[in-house]
Amino acid sequence: GENVEQHPSTLSVQEGDSAVIKCTYSDSASNYFPWYKQELGKRPQLIIDIRSNVGEKKDQRIAVTLNKTAKHFSLHITETQPEDSAVYFCAATLNNAGNMLTFGGGTRLMVKP
Amino acid sequence: GAGVSQSPRYKVAKRGQDVALRCDPISGHVSLFWYQQALGQGPEFLTYFQNEAQLDKSGLPSDRFFAERPEGSVSTLKIQRTQQEDSAVYLCASSLARSGDEQYFGPGTRLTVT
Repeated sequence: GENVEQHPSTLSVQEGDSAVIKCTYSDSASNYFPWYKQELGKRPQLIIDIRSNVGEKKDQRIAVTLNKTAKHFSLHITETQPEDSAVYFCAATLNNAGNMLTFGGGTRLMVKP
Repeated sequence: GAGVSQSPRYKVAKRGQDVALRCDPISGHVSLFWYQQALGQGPEFLTYFQNEAQLDKSGLPSDRFFAERPEGSVSTLKIQRTQQEDSAVYLCASSLARSGDEQYFGPGTRLTVT
């Protein structure tokens, strides 16, 4: 089955700096890669996703890149703000019916004002 | 519109008790997933329903875990004879289509077994 590794486990940045979180996956058949943000005690919320037919996707301050050959994908947050502080999870799946998500272990991002 | 809801939000059970956790998916969502999230870790897949059919239960950790979705909407995850290692947050997610689509998560039920 799929295995997803995520690094770093914790990341502390100064407000306004950029943050990068990296994930690798094992199953070359995986073709859908969402990123979720989870605040303490709250539900995971999708912030951006990418499918295997594109290499990069942007949404305002957030971007995700995908390298299918190397089987890794990354989340980039620019101009970080204190409200970006949360745990971020990457996930990978084969985008078919019953496509359970395989999650990475999470990255706790702390943005210091 | 209303998102995925779960109840109870918190459950404390004594070891050996049975518990039932409820998930109300977004109306019209065909697919429903249950995940288990241990403290400080990412969610792990438990089971998947397409309408009322349980098509994948490969993630259920033991035969003490049972899930159902009899009318293709509300789902219940039941854990019999709870053990301390069952303590976790149980997340439910639903998605619209039969094929791959965004999964919307509920707030989870935090189960603590004492």
